[in-house]
Amino acid sequence: GQSLEQPSEVTAVEGAIVQINCTYQTSGFYGLSWYQQHDGGAPTFLSYNGLDGLEETGRFSSFLSRSDSYGYLLLQELQMKDSASYFCAVRTGGNTPLVFGKGTRLSVIA
Amino acid sequence: DAGVTQSPTHLIKTRGQHVTLRCSPISGHKSVSWYQQVLGQGPQFIFQYYEKEERGRGNFPDRFSARQFPNYSSELNVNALLLGDSALYLCASSPTTGSANYGYTFGSGTRLTVV
Repeated sequence: GQSLEQPSEVTAVEGAIVQINCTYQTSGFYGLSWYQQHDGGAPTFLSYNGLDGLEETGRFSSFLSRSDSYGYLLLQELQMKDSASYFCAVRTGGNTPLVFGKGTRLSVIA
Repeated sequence: DAGVTQSPTHLIKTRGQHVTLRCSPISGHKSVSWYQQVLGQGPQFIFQYYEKEERGRGNFPDRFSARQFPNYSSELNVNALLLGDSALYLCASSPTTGSANYGYTFGSGTRLTVV
C-alpha cells in the first residue's frame, strides 16, 4: 500500500516562514508534488520534485530527499491568502495516478 | 482557454439512486482522472482514462464506473448511492497519464449529497 504522512494543522504568523513536511512509503516513487486547496475550491498545482534538491517558485519552495522518503513545502513571506490546505502527492510509476496525502491545513494569523 | 469544466456543481440524491457526473478536460488534454474528496481528507483516486481507455482504477466498489468519449470528455457514474458517497468529486485533466512536471489541472468539482 501507499502512505503519505503530513501534519494535519499548522498555524503561522503573517510575514513569517512555514515548512510543511511530508514523508511517504510507497511501492515505487516517481516524484513528489504539492497542491494548494482553498476552502470550497479545487486543488491547484504548486510544484513538483522528481530529483533530490530544492525547487523554487516565487515565495514557495519544495524539497525532496529520495533516500529519506521525505519532502517539504516551504512558504515564505506568508500572506493571509496563503491560508488553505496543502497536499503532498506522489506518483508510484511513470503513468500511474497521483496518490494524495490527507493534507495540512495552514492558518495564517495576523 | 477554458479550464476543466465539471457539471453539475451541486447535486442532492436519495439513497439507492444513480448519478452521472460530467467532466470536460482542457483542450488538448487526453487524460482525465476522477477523485473523491471527503470533507477534511485528501482526494482519493477513483479512475484514470487516457485515449478513451481505462488506465487505472482505485479501491472503489463496482457501483462506480466511468468512461471517456472521443472528444476526451468523461462521465463518472455511481449506482445504488449510499450516504457514504456524499463527497466532492473532482475531475483532473492532464496532457498524458504521466505529466508529472505539469501537474494535474482540477475542475471545481461536483458536490454530491446523498440523503
